[in-house]
Amino acid sequence: SQTIHQWPATLVQPVGSPLSLECTVEGTSNPNLYWYRQAAGRGLQLLFYSVGIGQISSEVPQNLSASRPQDRQFILSSKKLLLSDSGFYLCAWSVRSGAEQYFGPGTRLTVT
Amino acid sequence: AQKVTQAQTEISVVEKEDVTLDCVYETRDTTYYLFWYKQPPSGELVFLIRRNSFDEQNEISGRYSWNFQKSTSSFNFTITASQVVDSAVYFCALSCPQDSNYQLIWGAGTKLIIKP
Repeated sequence: SQTIHQWPATLVQPVGSPLSLECTVEGTSNPNLYWYRQAAGRGLQLLFYSVGIGQISSEVPQNLSASRPQDRQFILSSKKLLLSDSGFYLCAWSVRSGAEQYFGPGTRLTVT
Repeated sequence: AQKVTQAQTEISVVEKEDVTLDCVYETRDTTYYLFWYKQPPSGELVFLIRRNSFDEQNEISGRYSWNFQKSTSSFNFTITASQVVDSAVYFCALSCPQDSNYQLIWGAGTKLIIKP
């Protein structure tokens, strides 16, 4: 069966520090991969999605970036965090566009 | 343009009551997909159901049922005999090949509180 891992579970970082969040999927090949952010008490905002290695689509211009160095690995990065980057970051995968997405456990990021 | 509206911000019921969560969507596409997800307090989003626009049959899974009506652009979710474990935020989402390039358009969510 397929599983999706995200780490770390929680993170507290000072403003201006770099960020790297990692997501890996097991049990499937060539999945679509997604990064979402959820502010406290709010809905989900799609940040990036990828349909293949090295293919990244950005939905919201900001100081975050994403990379897909391997088929089942998706990384969210920032060179300098802002206070507004605080939130709950969720990684998800699907077998194809339009199919249901399965989510990881998420990372709670607090920028201080 | 595509849009998903969950007008109920928060619903509170007593355990064993039935509760319906509303979802209204907008899209110009004739082919599209509708989803429901549950987000318990732990935060992880749990997939509940996916329905395509050509299948208007209602679905039942245990205490959960979904009513899809294209005439009113609604995809409502009913929990029968609610339990405390049903307490969560529930999201409705829409995926359209043309309007949204298949990306999920999310509703704002409905927070469901089941009181013992």
